[in-house]
Amino acid sequence: AQTVTQSQPEMSVQEAETVTLSCTYDTSENNYYLFWYKQPPSRQMILVIRQEAYKQQNATENRFSVNFQKAAKSFSLKISDSQLGDTAMYFCAFMKHGGVQGAQKLVFGQGTRLTINP
Amino acid sequence: EADIYQTPRYLVIGTGKKITLECSQTMGHDKMYWYQQDPGMELHLIHYSYGVNSTEKGDLSSESTVSRIRTEHFPLTLESARPSHTSQYLCASKLGGGSYEQYFGPGTRLTVT
Repeated sequence: AQTVTQSQPEMSVQEAETVTLSCTYDTSENNYYLFWYKQPPSRQMILVIRQEAYKQQNATENRFSVNFQKAAKSFSLKISDSQLGDTAMYFCAFMKHGGVQGAQKLVFGQGTRLTINP
Repeated sequence: EADIYQTPRYLVIGTGKKITLECSQTMGHDKMYWYQQDPGMELHLIHYSYGVNSTEKGDLSSESTVSRIRTEHFPLTLESARPSHTSQYLCASKLGGGSYEQYFGPGTRLTVT
């Protein structure tokens, strides 16, 4: 079974600073996806960024980037130039590729509550 | 935001009552999921569906049941609510095949007194 661990329950930074959220995972699979999801207060969970395990290049989406270390099973999220709207719970998640007919279930970490202060 | 809806958003109900949490999506997605999000915010998969007439139990054991009679609809039922069922329930869906993203509904916050 896969496990995902986020060791930082809470983090707080000033607006415009850069912040890095940590995530480690454990799996024996070779083909999988990793995700960061964001859950703002009282709002829907949305996908921030994804990484395919077979890709060596780290994914980037505007101010969001990841540091994917496959051998170390580490998948951190870096938020640059943080904004007040980045305040949210952030979840790291794992999905086994499992083929197109597979369940494609997400396994989530415990979450990190990120607060951006003005 | 994604076209996936959950009703009610908030529900306070007494012990022993039967409840159904509704989830519907208008994206034509094959796969749907129910997650339970506990007060510590961690999410656990409790049910999923590959498509119509397909339901499976998730990684976390749950006393709830689900059905999938129509593609767009995936309700969750508790026959007899207990205080231990107090939680937030999130519904999600995704297109089958090679797509990777799950789209989440706004959640139902259930309190059983």
